[in-house]
This record gives sequence, structure tokens and C-alpha cells, in this order.
Amino acid sequence: KQEVTQIPAALSVPEGENLVLNCSFTDSAIYNLQWFRQDPGKGLTSLLLIQSSQREQTSGRLNASLDKSSGRSTLYIAASQPGDSATYLCAVRGGGGSNYKLTFGKGTLLTVNP
Amino acid sequence: DGGITQSPKYLFRKEGQNVTLSCEQNLNHDAMYWYRQDPGQGLRLIYYSQIVNDFQKGDIAEGYSVSREKKESFPLTVTSAQKNPTAFYLCASSIGSGASYGYTFGSGTRLTVV
Repeated sequence: KQEVTQIPAALSVPEGENLVLNCSFTDSAIYNLQWFRQDPGKGLTSLLLIQSSQREQTSGRLNASLDKSSGRSTLYIAASQPGDSATYLCAVRGGGGSNYKLTFGKGTLLTVNP
Repeated sequence: DGGITQSPKYLFRKEGQNVTLSCEQNLNHDAMYWYRQDPGQGLRLIYYSQIVNDFQKGDIAEGYSVSREKKESFPLTVTSAQKNPTAFYLCASSIGSGASYGYTFGSGTRLTVV
């Protein structure tokens, strides 16, 4: 069974700081890993999708890395802004005997203080 | 703009009632999914459909039913057999069932038992 863990569960930083969110998964036989953002009471917005053959993906101030063999991914946010405040979810596709579903971590609640 | 539309945004169910949550997508995606989100837990898969007129149970299908009569639509019925239906329900889709594809999510329906 695939399990995904996100550390820390919550993070509070001052505006302008660079920060790293961590995600680990137990079964390295994944097809891809996706980072999402969720605002309170809202749906999920896809931030970055990394295929299993890739090492990283970048979009604006966001950079996600993937180390499939060690079962780890990081999401790096540069020059954080109050608008970045949200819950960040990591999800892997595959592992645990399935290729169709995403297995999610419980998320990191990020607060960026002005 | 292409996307996934979930309705209603809020839904209230009385004990013993069946209720149906709507999910419509205009992305021309083949695969669709229903997830349930509870506070402090990761998202859990209820049902998924890879093609029209075909669907499979996910991890927590008991007390739920679905249909996939059209490519664009994947409604979820929460039956009276679901003993703890209060949760946030998210519909998602992907281009195909191939494992390299990422997911797109709707904005969710919050169901409350009254």
C-alpha cells in the first residue's frame, strides 16, 4: 500500500522568505508526482506535475524536485508572499499495485505573514 | 474556459435520504474520479471511471453509487447506506487512464447531514 507523508504539517514564515516543503512516499514504483494548492473551502489547483523520469519541474517561483529512488520530493517556494498562504498537497500516482489513482499526503498548511 | 464544474457548492442531507452530486467537465477527458476529503485526513478515492459506461470502486465505495452515461458527466449518489456522509467531495478528471497524466480537480461540494 502506498503511503504519502508531508512534513511539516504547518509552517509560518515572514514574507520574502524562501521555504521548502517535504513529501515522502513508501513505494518508489510511481508514475508521477503532483503538487497541489488548496485554499480554504476550495478545490485543488495543480501547481506542478513531475513524471517519474524527471528530476524537477519549475513554474515561476516554484520548483519541485523528485528523487524517486529514495521516495522523496520537495517543493521550493522562493520569495514567499502572503498570497502563497494555503494548504499544499503532495500526491503520487502509482505504487501500491495501482496505476490509476492518486495517493495524497495530509498536506502542509502554509502561512506567510506580511 | 475548460474545466470541471461541481454542483451544488453546499448540500444538506436529512437522515435516510439519497442525494446526488453533479460533476461535469468540458476538457474532453476520458477518465473521471470522485474523492472524499475529511479534516486531518488525505483525500480518499471513492469511485473512478476510465471510459463511458464503465466504472470501478475505489478505496471507500460503500454507501456510494455512480454512473457514466456521458463522457462529460460523472454524478455521485450518496445513499442512506453511507453512515457518515458529512465531508467535502471533490471530482477530478485526467486526459486518459494512462499513468503519465496529471489530474484536474473541480471546486468541490460540501455535504452536511442535518
